[in-house]
Amino acid sequence: NAGVMQNPRHLVRRRGQEARLRCSPMKGHSHVYWYRQLPEEGLKFMVYLQKENIIDESGMPKERFSAEFPKEGPSILRIQQVVRGDSAAYFCASSGNRLTTEAFFGQGTRLTVV
Amino acid sequence: SQQGEEDPQALSIQEGENATMNCSYKTSINNLQWYRQNSGRGLVHLILIRSNEREKHSGRLRVTLDTSKKSSSLLITASRAADTASYFCATDRGTSYDKVIFGPGTSLSVIP
Repeated sequence: NAGVMQNPRHLVRRRGQEARLRCSPMKGHSHVYWYRQLPEEGLKFMVYLQKENIIDESGMPKERFSAEFPKEGPSILRIQQVVRGDSAAYFCASSGNRLTTEAFFGQGTRLTVV
Repeated sequence: SQQGEEDPQALSIQEGENATMNCSYKTSINNLQWYRQNSGRGLVHLILIRSNEREKHSGRLRVTLDTSKKSSSLLITASRAADTASYFCATDRGTSYDKVIFGPGTSLSVIP
């Protein structure tokens, strides 16, 4: 049973380009969480999704950021028109249902905007 | 408002000593979890303690939870250089749909 898989591990984008980060949850998990970690800082919640539904996006910037978790395929965090301040590590976690069990994290995608 | 706050922000100890990190939170919780993050790496889940539990052990780790004080502590006994990492506590409120909120972390350095 593979763990949470995120790809790519490293992503370099020029300012103004789009960044797509993918997260495949653990087998059988239907809850996905995205977090952003700026250098030397803790993890900030961005969005919580279940299959085909956004449950809580209170941590998502209002513009340029979107997330989806389709019925088939990985969850996607999309950042349009990236800026230097978007450079960070983006982690996704999955859980089987309500977080009565632990969330399992992927290795993260490190986005660098140049 | 931020749910979990770790204390201290940074801790430096000698190998073999015990390390204690604390986490305080503001609202009622369902679970509290501790994670470790090595520099530049992903997060590793260490231990989960439920709100009706007071203490839990896992190897050299001991976690306590005091819901009356809204606080938890993580004790690492007989620390090793490999324990050098950042440690985060995370809480969830156990509502039907909820997210896990992380504190800013404690950076632990274990000096050989």
